[in-house]
Amino acid sequence: QKEVEQNSGPLSVPEGAIASLNCTYSDRVSQSFFWYRQYSGKSPELIMSIYSNGDKEDGRFTAQLNKASQYVSLLIRDSQPSDSATYLCAVTGGGADGLTFGKGTHLIIQP
Amino acid sequence: GAVVSQHPSWVICKSGTSVKIECRSLDFQATTMFWYRQFPKQSLMLMATSNEGSKATYEQGVEKDKFLINHASLTLSTLTVTSAHPEDSSFYICSARDGREIYEQYFGPGTRLTVT
Repeated sequence: QKEVEQNSGPLSVPEGAIASLNCTYSDRVSQSFFWYRQYSGKSPELIMSIYSNGDKEDGRFTAQLNKASQYVSLLIRDSQPSDSATYLCAVTGGGADGLTFGKGTHLIIQP
Repeated sequence: GAVVSQHPSWVICKSGTSVKIECRSLDFQATTMFWYRQFPKQSLMLMATSNEGSKATYEQGVEKDKFLINHASLTLSTLTVTSAHPEDSSFYICSARDGREIYEQYFGPGTRLTVT
């Protein structure tokens, strides 16, 4: 059974600092990896996708993937209070597959 | 681009009745749509995968006769919760995969179902 593990937090980070979120997954055949942001009572919003080993940067966000270690991370630079949310790590084996989500990390950016 | 809508956004129904939830891709054709359920303080759990014109594939433990899924067009999928019970109260969220972007899924705003 596919499992995705995240530290539930809360993770508290001062405004302007770097927030580091981590995720591990159990299924070695997983091919696609995503980070979603979810505000309370809302549906998830896609932040980043990453498919190959290494780093992928998009604005203040950097996703890192290490398939050998089965590890995905998300860095948020210059954290803002509006970044306070639950961040969900999700993996899938292929395009036709649904996503397996972790339980999410609750991030709090302190002004 | 990549906008997915759901209707209704919230619904309250009595135990034993059926409820239909619609999921639409507004600006792209969705060859595959997915239905998820999220209970309070928990993560999203995949219920089923639906492909246009074919029967849905349900995840283990999800009753296909209770959760009827129809994907009649490339822009519309529906989930009908039949004979709803209070334990079916949850946040139901659909997602759609844009055929031009193989792996990324875009989520609708969700439907909060309360069964009394």
